[in-house]
Amino acid sequence: ETGVTQTPRHLVMGMTNKKSLKCEQHLGHNAMYWYKQSAKKPLELMFVYSLEERVENNSVPSRFSPECPNSSHLFLHLHTLQPEDSALYLCASSQVLSGVYEQFFGPGTRLTVL
Amino acid sequence: SQQGEEDPQALSIQEGENATMNCSYKTSINNLQWYRQNSGRGLVHLILIRSNEREKHSGRLRVTLDTSKKSSSLLITASRAADTASYFCATDARQAGTALIFGKGTTLSVSS
Repeated sequence: ETGVTQTPRHLVMGMTNKKSLKCEQHLGHNAMYWYKQSAKKPLELMFVYSLEERVENNSVPSRFSPECPNSSHLFLHLHTLQPEDSALYLCASSQVLSGVYEQFFGPGTRLTVL
Repeated sequence: SQQGEEDPQALSIQEGENATMNCSYKTSINNLQWYRQNSGRGLVHLILIRSNEREKHSGRLRVTLDTSKKSSSLLITASRAADTASYFCATDARQAGTALIFGKGTTLSVSS
């Protein structure tokens, strides 16, 4: 798991808390992604950053706020979450070359909202 | 609606048997990828097949792509207990996009 790391691995928070998820990639990639994985549902793309600019936001509620300070780091700031936001949050990175690429995933953060 | 749909949703086999999973998608693609996920972990890239390829091999994995039927299959030969995981297909579905669209996955259970 040295390619893409995520911290924390597990997080329990109340609905009024503010927390942040961190992702770091050591692969020299130029694109990073946040996904949400809930039980019985497909992996949902949340945000895409390419060359440190947000290029995609898939109608994600404003209680999720991404930040990409540089090409190696990606954060997901969380505030006033709902219990239905409990899920596995996965970060991924890729090197985008002419539309042919593979994504490298971190181990995920298991989030529980009480 | 989602781009990729895997079939079956769940598959249980014995060690040594072959496992076949299918994926159907809706729009034209540049490439299709298969990923594997062990329980509660991140996804691991297995293989990528381009839209102009029909078949690709990697070790015990064999992937086929039929763009006329908008479908792909993943065959794992001589399965092992360690192959127990969820398998997802993913498509790009856009001309110059950077995002992948994943299906719900097939959960494979290999018993010894």
